[in-house]
Amino acid sequence: GENVEQHPSTLSVQEGDSAVIKCTYSDSASNYFPWYKQELGKRPQLIIDIRSNVGEKKDQRIAVTLNKTAKHFSLHITETQPEDSAVYFCSTTDSWGKLQFGAGTQVVVTP
Amino acid sequence: GAVVSQHPSRVICKSGTSVKIECRSLDFQATTMFWYRQFPKQSLMLMATSNEGSKATYEQGVEKDKFLINHASLTLSTLTVTSAHPEDSSFYICSAPARLAGGDEQFFGPGTRLTVL
Repeated sequence: GENVEQHPSTLSVQEGDSAVIKCTYSDSASNYFPWYKQELGKRPQLIIDIRSNVGEKKDQRIAVTLNKTAKHFSLHITETQPEDSAVYFCSTTDSWGKLQFGAGTQVVVTP
Repeated sequence: GAVVSQHPSRVICKSGTSVKIECRSLDFQATTMFWYRQFPKQSLMLMATSNEGSKATYEQGVEKDKFLINHASLTLSTLTVTSAHPEDSSFYICSAPARLAGGDEQFFGPGTRLTVL
């Protein structure tokens, strides 16, 4: 089955700096790569996603890159703000629609 | 966007009792729903796929006789934790895929916090 690895597990950044989270996956058939933000006790919220036919996607301060050959994908948050503090999960969806999540990254943005 | 609800949001029960959690798609039909479990400071782990009109499929290591899933209609899936024990205490979340604008985004319920005493 799919194996998604995520790094780092924790990330502390100064407000205004950039944050980068990296993930790798094992199943070459994976074709959809959503990123979720989860606040304590809440449901995961989709923040950005990318499909296998695209190498990069950007939405305001958030961008995601995908390298299908290397089976890597990354989340980039620029100009971080305190409200960006949360746990971020990368994930992949297989052809059955099953989501497999990475272990998560606790992002702390300090003012 | 699509909305998924879960009930109850929080439940505390005694060891040995059974607990039922409902997951509903409010404004779309879901022939498939997914159930996840999340322990504190850990990731979401897929437990099973709920299929409308047929048996659920369980991930490796998940006991199907302990976690009963029923998907009786196109908008409702239920997860019953039978003979719950303290180690079953966790955050249970359901999701349903909805094809919107050509995509296959998954929409999550708000989760159910289960505490077994």
